[in-house]
Amino acid sequence: EDQVTQSPEALRLQEGESSSLNCSYTVSGLRGLFWYRQDPGKGPEFLFTLYSAGEEKEKERLKATLTKKESFLHITAPKPEDSATYLCAAGSGGGGNKLTFGTGTQLKVEL
Amino acid sequence: DGGITQSPKYLFRKEGQNVTLSCEQNLNHDAMYWYRQDPGQGLRLIYYSQIVNDFQKGDIAEGYSVSREKKESFPLTVTSAQKNPTAFYLCASSPNSLGGELFFGEGSRLTVL
Repeated sequence: EDQVTQSPEALRLQEGESSSLNCSYTVSGLRGLFWYRQDPGKGPEFLFTLYSAGEEKEKERLKATLTKKESFLHITAPKPEDSATYLCAAGSGGGGNKLTFGTGTQLKVEL
Repeated sequence: DGGITQSPKYLFRKEGQNVTLSCEQNLNHDAMYWYRQDPGQGLRLIYYSQIVNDFQKGDIAEGYSVSREKKESFPLTVTSAQKNPTAFYLCASSPNSLGGELFFGEGSRLTVL
């Protein structure tokens, strides 16, 4: 059974304090690892897709990396506007765009 | 602006009533999806459609029904057979059936009284 586990469940940072979020996955035939950002009461917003181990993607203060068993979302010098829940999803083989989502990491960045 | 529109944003329902959630997209995407989000759980797939007039069950389809008569529209009906319908429902689309880059709507929060 495909499984995605995110840690920590919640993270509180001071503005400028860099950290990383973890996404561990067990899927059959990974065909992509996806990161989304979700603000309270809103739909998730796509951030990154990673396809193979060693791949990295960057966007502003965020950088996503991928190994054969996990993905990290590194947040460098975060700002309060980075506060959100970050979701990770693994795509597996088979039809219908099968995605398995983790439960998310709720990030709060304080002044 | 292109995007996905879900309505209503909030909906209250009495037990035993069917309700229909609307999802419209103007992104010209082929594939559309319905997910359910509950506290402490990851998003779970209810139904998906890769082409007009065709749709497939996801992981938790029991108590739900959908239709895909137009490319732009993918409404979800929550029937009285759904035992625990109170949840946040998310509609999404993607340009094809293989990519995981989903574009989500703002969600519909259903509360059963």
